Amino acid sequence: GEEVAQTPKHLVRGEGQKAKLYCAPIKGHSYVFWYQQVLKNEFKFLISFQNENVFDETGMPKERFSAKCLPNSPCSLEIQATKLEDSAVYFCASSRTGQGDGYTFGSGTRLTVV
Amino acid sequence: AQTVTQSQPEMSVQEAETVTLSCTYDTSENNYYLFWYKQPPSRQMILVIRQEAYKQQNATENRFSVNFQKAAKSFSLKISDSQLGDTAMYFCAFMKHARDDKIIFGKGTRLHILP
Repeated sequence: GEEVAQTPKHLVRGEGQKAKLYCAPIKGHSYVFWYQQVLKNEFKFLISFQNENVFDETGMPKERFSAKCLPNSPCSLEIQATKLEDSAVYFCASSRTGQGDGYTFGSGTRLTVV
Repeated sequence: AQTVTQSQPEMSVQEAETVTLSCTYDTSENNYYLFWYKQPPSRQMILVIRQEAYKQQNATENRFSVNFQKAAKSFSLKISDSQLGDTAMYFCAFMKHARDDKIIFGKGTRLHILP
């Protein structure tokens, strides 16, 4: 399809619980990016993939965050032992070339940690 | 490291007026891309316009145009004949001319179009 599909739209977790978010990139797009948008609207880059290979994970809090893009499956972002400060909207975006054609964003998953 | 600065946190204009949103950036790169994204209350990120740094000509998309000043590292967005549907957050963004590189966003400008 021509949209980046993110599920679920909303997710509520108790502090310390696990959260798993999914992203299906546009068919034919080899590059996937995850961003976190916090309440002040600022975007923080988390991780990028080229197909199933991690390209840049400099933004990932590695002790609790992990991500995968496996063949024939949606990409996933998992947060172990969520904290209150993980509350944010998580966006996935995909790109065909990864070279400045701009990303196509999904509609985001709003994670609320209570 | 690259940075993107949007100095106007919030703006309001009357419908049908023209409005300009400011953006400056800092980079040592010579080739790169610049973008403006719109995020309406639905939170969907929409690419409004893109500019390639090695092109002198300013990009335009219907009512949206940019003023790209490479030497000054400035990339402002002009919205002509503003409409109520233009009400949104607008993010200026930078990307190096390199495969797989991440987009770096400014902090955004909240634009209100008043009836």
